[in-house]
Amino acid sequence: DAGVIQSPRHEVTEMGQEVTLRCKPISGHDYLFWYRQTMMRGLELLIYFNNNVPIDDSGMPEDRFSAKMPNASFSTLKIQPSEPRDSAVYFCASSLTGTYGYTFGSGTRLTVV
Amino acid sequence: AQSVSQHNHHVILSEAASLELGCNYSYGGTVNLFWYVQYPGQHLQLLLKYFSGDPLVKGIKGFEAEFIKSKFSFNLRKPSVQWSDTAEYFCAVIGGGADGLTFGKGTHLIIQP
Repeated sequence: DAGVIQSPRHEVTEMGQEVTLRCKPISGHDYLFWYRQTMMRGLELLIYFNNNVPIDDSGMPEDRFSAKMPNASFSTLKIQPSEPRDSAVYFCASSLTGTYGYTFGSGTRLTVV
Repeated sequence: AQSVSQHNHHVILSEAASLELGCNYSYGGTVNLFWYVQYPGQHLQLLLKYFSGDPLVKGIKGFEAEFIKSKFSFNLRKPSVQWSDTAEYFCAVIGGGADGLTFGKGTHLIIQP
């Protein structure tokens, strides 16, 4: 199994631009999570899905952030418009049951200038 | 909502020293507890986990952790650290259902040769 696959690995964009981060979970995992990691706030849960349905998006910081999971093998996290304070590493993770340990992707390092 | 506290933000040790990283959580019900490690520039990897049973759990790379319910603690230990243990260590908890891992802020461990 290739694990959780995220793309791109690095993204540099200008303030105001739309950014789309992508995630392919492990096949058969019913749960998918998006996390953001910053020096100041550590790892924060943004949103998670169960069977492609968003369950809890209370961690999404603003309306500029949106996430979708159109099928069991693909999810996107979109920021529109992006701002410098969105600069962070965004991790996707998947889990078989949601209560056991998760498998994390390699992350996308986003820099908004 | 649960919270996780890691008391040591930065720890510097010499090789062969013993390690103990503190972790306390706030949730009073049944919890699943985890320690993750993040090597420089890499994604999070599971070190060990506790669900039930023996409160002393052993993980990969010689790490172990002890769950003390009365103290709401899950401290990570290693009797003799190596230079390759230099990394960021995160304690995490799931309580009350599959609502995503809650992470501590992390401990940056530096092992000096």
